[in-house]
Amino acid sequence: KAGVTQTPRYLIKTRGQQVTLSCSPISGHRSVSWYQQTPGQGLQFLFEYFSETQRNKGNFPGRFSGRQFSNSRSEMNVSTLELGDSALYLCASSLAIRNTEAFFGQGTRLTVV
Amino acid sequence: SQQGEEDPQALSIQEGENATMNCSYKTSINNLQWYRQNSGRGLVHLILIRSNEREKHSGRLRVTLDTSKKSSSLLITASRAADTASYFCATDDGSNYQLIWGAGTKLIIKP
Repeated sequence: KAGVTQTPRYLIKTRGQQVTLSCSPISGHRSVSWYQQTPGQGLQFLFEYFSETQRNKGNFPGRFSGRQFSNSRSEMNVSTLELGDSALYLCASSLAIRNTEAFFGQGTRLTVV
Repeated sequence: SQQGEEDPQALSIQEGENATMNCSYKTSINNLQWYRQNSGRGLVHLILIRSNEREKHSGRLRVTLDTSKKSSSLLITASRAADTASYFCATDDGSNYQLIWGAGTKLIIKP
């Protein structure tokens, strides 16, 4: 069974640009969550999708958005990039939306210059 | 804000020794999970313990949960070089869907 796939693995963007990250969950998993990981802040929850609906959202500005498609694949978008958006963005999939094990992708390392 | 706080922040031990790390949290939970992360890569799930469980084992891992103290511990026995990683605890807050993470314990196993 294939794991969680995140693309691209690495990105370098310029301040003010926008970026779209992609996540393909494990087959059969309908829940996808996104996290931002930085050395200073640890893992911060961005949002969670289940059956194409956003079920929960973390405390991030509106520049961060996401969506989930009917095949459970998910994308997150960051507009008007800032230097502070440089981070490892992790996607996790799980069978259900709570109380279950989360399977993580390798992440997308975004560098904003 | 973080729900879980791991302790210690960093731990360095000799190969073969046991490693213990702790996690404290603030609110009632449904379950607590431990994850491992190697060198800035994705996280790997280690073990999930439910709020009505007190202890759980998986191979060389032993997790305890004390809901009265709002704390959990992860014990790795007979450590190996491959155990070098950061270890995170994650909890739900009992009512919400999201996992809330601690800052992690960085474990270094010296050969």
